[in-house]
Amino acid sequence: SQQGEEDPQALSIQEGENATMNCSYKTSINNLQWYRQNSGRGLVHLILIRSNEREKHSGRLRVTLDTSKKSSSLLITASRAADTASYFCATDVNFGNEKLTFGTGTRLTIIP
Amino acid sequence: EPEVTQTPSHQVTQMGQEVILRCVPISNHLYFYWYRQILGQKVEFLVSFYNNEISEKSEIFDDQFSVERPDGSNFTLKIRSTKLEDSAMYFCARHLGGAYGYTFGSGTRLTVV
Repeated sequence: SQQGEEDPQALSIQEGENATMNCSYKTSINNLQWYRQNSGRGLVHLILIRSNEREKHSGRLRVTLDTSKKSSSLLITASRAADTASYFCATDVNFGNEKLTFGTGTRLTIIP
Repeated sequence: EPEVTQTPSHQVTQMGQEVILRCVPISNHLYFYWYRQILGQKVEFLVSFYNNEISEKSEIFDDQFSVERPDGSNFTLKIRSTKLEDSAMYFCARHLGGAYGYTFGSGTRLTVV
C-alpha cells in the first residue's frame, strides 16, 4: 500500500449527521494535513496537525492523529450539503522541503 | 481574489506539442510546487522550487518537464512534447514554510489529444 490511504473510499450520509474519514500512512511524518476538493476544482486546505499533537479542532472539523498507529481521522460534525466533496489527507515527511504526499481520498456525499 | 491564480483553466493540445502552464502566486512565499492529478486518481507531486531553483523532483518529472520563474512572480511548468498520458489537472501551490498549510491554485485541466 502507499503512503496515505483513506477509508472509506466513498461515504454517503444524511445532512446533519457526522462524517468520519480515516487516513493511514507508512512513514514518520512532520505533520499531516487534510484538504477538500470540490469536483474538478482546486484543493482547499482544511486543517494541519503536527506530529506532536493528538487532536485539533477547527469549527465543525475535528482531526485526531495517532502516530503509534500511523493513522488520522477527520470528523465533520453536523454535515451540510455544501460539505459534499472529496477529502484527502496529505503527509509532510521532510521538514524543510515539505512536499506533500497525498492519500487516495474519500468521496463524501451529503444527502439533503 | 484567489491567492494563487492559474492560467489557462483548460487547455487542449495535440500530442507532441509544447504547453506552458502558468501560475501567479501572490504575496510572500518561499516554496512553490507543481502537482498533477490524473482523472479519478490521487494528487501526485511533480516538483518543488525554492530560491529560484528546483529543490526536489519526482520520477514523473522527466526531461520533458521544466519549471521557471521567468519574471520573479510568474511560475511556469513547461511540457516540451506532450503525450496522451500527460492529460491531467495540474496544480501549482505555494507554501510559506513551517506549520502552515499549502495554498493551491484552481488548476489547469490539460487534455492531450
